[in-house]
Amino acid sequence: GEDVEQSLFLSVREGDSSVINCTYTDSSSTYLYWYKQEPGAGLQLLTYIFSNMDMKQDQRLTVLLNKKDKHLSLRIADTQTGDSAIYFCAEKVIEGGSYIPTFGRGTSLIVHP
Amino acid sequence: GAGVSQSPSNKVTEKGKDVELRCDPISGHTALYWYRQSLGQGLEFLIYFQGNSAPDKSGLPSDRFSAERTGGSVSTLTIQRTQQEDSAVYLCASSLVGGNSKANYGYTFGSGTRLTVV
Repeated sequence: GEDVEQSLFLSVREGDSSVINCTYTDSSSTYLYWYKQEPGAGLQLLTYIFSNMDMKQDQRLTVLLNKKDKHLSLRIADTQTGDSAIYFCAEKVIEGGSYIPTFGRGTSLIVHP
Repeated sequence: GAGVSQSPSNKVTEKGKDVELRCDPISGHTALYWYRQSLGQGLEFLIYFQGNSAPDKSGLPSDRFSAERTGGSVSTLTIQRTQQEDSAVYLCASSLVGGNSKANYGYTFGSGTRLTVV
């Protein structure tokens, strides 16, 4: 596809792991970002990965990259109610791209007790 | 300032009126972006400023939309003759360097201006 795509909703139980998925458009030379948006707030950068990497871990967050399928995932371990937010995947293509970040529609993560 | 500041935080306007939305980026950030977030939609790119270069206006939805950036700092997004479909949250982001930099520079977003056209 030509867009950055994400599923719209994810519901998990507190303490479980959450996995948010994203497909992007260009596997050649790309930065891929995960942003979090809480109600009434702007977007907060959580983590990013470059397309020559397979995985990045940062505390409870793990980013996995499947370049063949152009698939990106964000795993949140031990999900807490404070993790409830909208999570945006974004792509910035470096080679032959516009260098303007393109965002998905966002995945609403709902964490229930 | 420490972050990207946008004003007003909320704006209600009557259909047909003009509105101005303001973005104050992080000091020293040369790249500035405007996005629009409509209900249930992702972030739609509107316009991008990089230093003194001509802005990339490719995302502006119509000629009712315009933006300027004075002195490489504050930016104003103007919507003329507002329509109900213009109702959205308008987000501004800045970055230390944009353009064709191959390095990664994070984007810092403001809290947005929620525009409601009645």
